[in-house]
Amino acid sequence: QVQLVESGGGLVKPGGSLRLSCATSGFTFSDYYMTWIRQAPGKGLEWLAYISNSGNTIYYADSVKGRFTISRDDSKNSMYLQMNSLRVEDTAVYYCARDGGGFTHWGHGTLVTVSS
Amino acid sequence: SYVLAQPPSVSLAPGTTARFTCGGDNIGTKSVHWYQQKPGQAPVLVIYYDTDRPSGIPERFSGSNSGNTATLTISRVEAGDEADYYCQVWDSSSEHVVFGGGTKLTVL
Repeated sequence: QVQLVESGGGLVKPGGSLRLSCATSGFTFSDYYMTWIRQAPGKGLEWLAYISNSGNTIYYADSVKGRFTISRDDSKNSMYLQMNSLRVEDTAVYYCARDGGGFTHWGHGTLVTVSS
Repeated sequence: SYVLAQPPSVSLAPGTTARFTCGGDNIGTKSVHWYQQKPGQAPVLVIYYDTDRPSGIPERFSGSNSGNTATLTISRVEAGDEADYYCQVWDSSSEHVVFGGGTKLTVL
């Protein structure tokens, strides 16, 4: 079955960096667009970034453009989110999701806490 | 940027029909997807491309989209339907995914 597992979250100081990973299985990863979405505590869903199946097309939300970088490694069936210049307001659960007519499959999420 | 408006909350008795609205400028020209999120869990896709149900989603869930409003309908609401419900579109003008703010369903 389709599985997505995020990792790499944790506690980081403002201005710091983290790299999130999304390991997938159960489907042909290279066929699918993938995305990162986050949810701050008690808040709604916020889309962050989108990467095409080829990796050639990438989109970012304005809130993270220039600070976050999405990438993928089809040989490892994995997607990544490099997060730099982190701010307190980046504190959230970060989800990876697979596109396929809506986001059909989601990981369980990884918590990122930005605090001094 | 494109904005999707959802009422913050809906409260209903079991067995009644829940309707969640998602308002956006000419949203009828876009494809709308709906997600259910229960506390502590990842969201689950319940309706895609306005009206389609993924496998495993009960027939009680249905969707429509026209004009400036998309609607998710849950017939015969059950206690297990208590959750937050989010609408989502792709805005081609801004090349952004857009989520509505979500509606919390409370089953009385």
